[in-house]
Amino acid sequence: AQTVTQSQPEMSVQEAETVTLSCTYDTSENNYYLFWYKQPPSRQMILVIRQEAYKQQNATENRFSVNFQKAAKSFSLKISDSQLGDTAMYFCALRGGSNYKLTFGKGTLLTVNP
Amino acid sequence: DAGVIQSPRHEVTEMGQEVTLRCKPISGHDYLFWYRQTMMRGLELLIYFNNNVPIDDSGMPEDRFSAKMPNASFSTLKIQPSEPRDSAVYFCASSLGDYLLETQYFGPGTRLLVL
Repeated sequence: AQTVTQSQPEMSVQEAETVTLSCTYDTSENNYYLFWYKQPPSRQMILVIRQEAYKQQNATENRFSVNFQKAAKSFSLKISDSQLGDTAMYFCALRGGSNYKLTFGKGTLLTVNP
Repeated sequence: DAGVIQSPRHEVTEMGQEVTLRCKPISGHDYLFWYRQTMMRGLELLIYFNNNVPIDDSGMPEDRFSAKMPNASFSTLKIQPSEPRDSAVYFCASSLGDYLLETQYFGPGTRLLVL
């Protein structure tokens, strides 16, 4: 069974500052993918960033980067230079091996304050 | 590409009525997924298809739920009869079959309210 845990139900940050969202996971698969999805008030799920477990280098997409600690089963998301448009629910998700199922965490509601 | 298209965007119905949700995946995507999102349970996978064939329906809550994919560009999720506890946002997502390109792209969702 796969599990994804996001321990921060809510977080807030000031515009232009940096914030880190936490995610831990558990899987018995050796090869898996990790994702961060963003869900703004429009409710659409938008892919932010993904990480292949076999890659040691942390993924980066513009202002978004991850800190992937495979041994600790941790996959945190760092948002630099936070913008008002970053206000959203953020979901960490795991897909293991050849299973196409995505297992989602409960989400972290991020509010960026002006 | 227009992305994953879902209809209707909002649906309000009365308990006992049949509800049909529709999804058009991104052209060329081999996998289609139906999810349900509620405050209590978060995002749950209900069922997914590969090349129009249902692969795993273990997340379908009960026999009142059924899903079909008659062709590569269309899928439906039907609830009959509907109950108030079915109220949720239902998402459809699609992805390429290539193992290296397994990112799921989500539609805008259908917000269902069963009175």
